[in-house]
Amino acid sequence: KAGVTQTPRYLIKTRGQQVTLSCSPISGHRSVSWYQQTPGQGLQFLFEYFSETQRNKGNFPGRFSGRQFSNSRSEMNVSTLELGDSALYLCASSSPRGGGETQYFGPGTRLLVL
Amino acid sequence: AQSVTQPDIHITVSEGASLELRCNYSYGATPYLFWYVQSPGQGLQLLLKYFSGDTLVQGIKGFEAEFKRSQSSFNLRKPSVHWSDAAEYFCAVGVEYNQGGKLIFGQGTELSVKP
Repeated sequence: KAGVTQTPRYLIKTRGQQVTLSCSPISGHRSVSWYQQTPGQGLQFLFEYFSETQRNKGNFPGRFSGRQFSNSRSEMNVSTLELGDSALYLCASSSPRGGGETQYFGPGTRLLVL
Repeated sequence: AQSVTQPDIHITVSEGASLELRCNYSYGATPYLFWYVQSPGQGLQLLLKYFSGDTLVQGIKGFEAEFKRSQSSFNLRKPSVHWSDAAEYFCAVGVEYNQGGKLIFGQGTELSVKP
């Protein structure tokens, strides 16, 4: 079974631009979570989607948004990019069974904001 | 508030020596606990997890971890470290896991292995 895939793997943007990152979960997984990883703040939860609905959201500004499609693929969007948005963005998928599921991570998208 | 603490930012061990990475968590309910490993430029790979039952859990690559509720700890161990184990290790607790689970991660412990 193929793992979680994320595209693109690397991205360079300038301040003020917007960016869209894509995540394809493991086949059959319906939950997708997004995390931001930076040297200063570590790994932080952004949001989680299940069956096209956002169920949980971390403490990030409204510039960070996401969505999930009917095939469980997910995208996250960051508008009006700031230098501090430079990070590795990780996507994880899981197969909810009412509790205790494991999140499997993709390789990440490394975003550099200049 | 929920939190995970990994007291050791960086650890160096000799190849063949034993390893213990510490993890303490703060969470009011029964925790879902995880250890992940990250090699440079890569995503996170699950080493092992604890949901319930036996408090000593076995994982991949010869790792094990023990859940101690009284100490709010979930330390990772390996009896004999290999050079390929050099990586960053993250402990995590699953929060609100039945309603759109999120993971709260520790700051990570970077492991170096001396030949």
